[in-house]
Amino acid sequence: AQSVTQLGSHVSVSEGALVLLRCNYSSSVPPYLFWYVQYPNQGLQLLLKYTTGATLVKGINGFEAEFKKSETSFHLTKPSAHMSDAAEYFCAVSDSGTYKYIFGTGTRLKVLA
Amino acid sequence: KAGVTQTPRYLIKTRGQQVTLSCSPISGHRSVSWYQQTPGQGLQFLFEYFSETQRNKGNFPGRFSGRQFSNSRSEMNVSTLELGDSALYLCASSSGSGRARGTDTQYFGPGTRLTVL
Repeated sequence: AQSVTQLGSHVSVSEGALVLLRCNYSSSVPPYLFWYVQYPNQGLQLLLKYTTGATLVKGINGFEAEFKKSETSFHLTKPSAHMSDAAEYFCAVSDSGTYKYIFGTGTRLKVLA
Repeated sequence: KAGVTQTPRYLIKTRGQQVTLSCSPISGHRSVSWYQQTPGQGLQFLFEYFSETQRNKGNFPGRFSGRQFSNSRSEMNVSTLELGDSALYLCASSSGSGRARGTDTQYFGPGTRLTVL
């Protein structure tokens, strides 16, 4: 069965500092991986996704993630945090190529002024 | 293009009642999925509908059901509500086509927050 683990339920960074949110997956088949962001009282917004091809994926708002098969990881990074990045971030894997997504438990990002 | 809309946004019910939530997908999208989000269990997949047929189902009791209409709008119903059903219910739509469905982007609505008293 496929699964996703997000290390760190809360992460705090200073404004302008590097953002690193960790995601490890377990999958017996080539995974389709996603990062979503959720702002308070809102739904989920797709940041980026990896399906096939280039392992470094660029998303919206300056975020990117690198698919590392050897480490079964798909960590999300942003070079310089902005106050508006404060939100909850979810990593997800598509279950066997379907629309059934398996989500991680989420990481709440706090950006300090 | 209008996004995914969900109605109502907030709902308060009492135990034992039933509730129906509605989701209108992005125009042209034929697949609608439903998720439950709670602080304890996180985001969990309920079911997915495509062309009025349930194509995939999560591990929820039979009290949770859904349907999809010919215009791709979807409803989910929860009968005999329990306190533990209090959650944010999210609907997501996608085109539904393509060889590898998982590569499509799912677009989420703002959710319906259900409170069961």
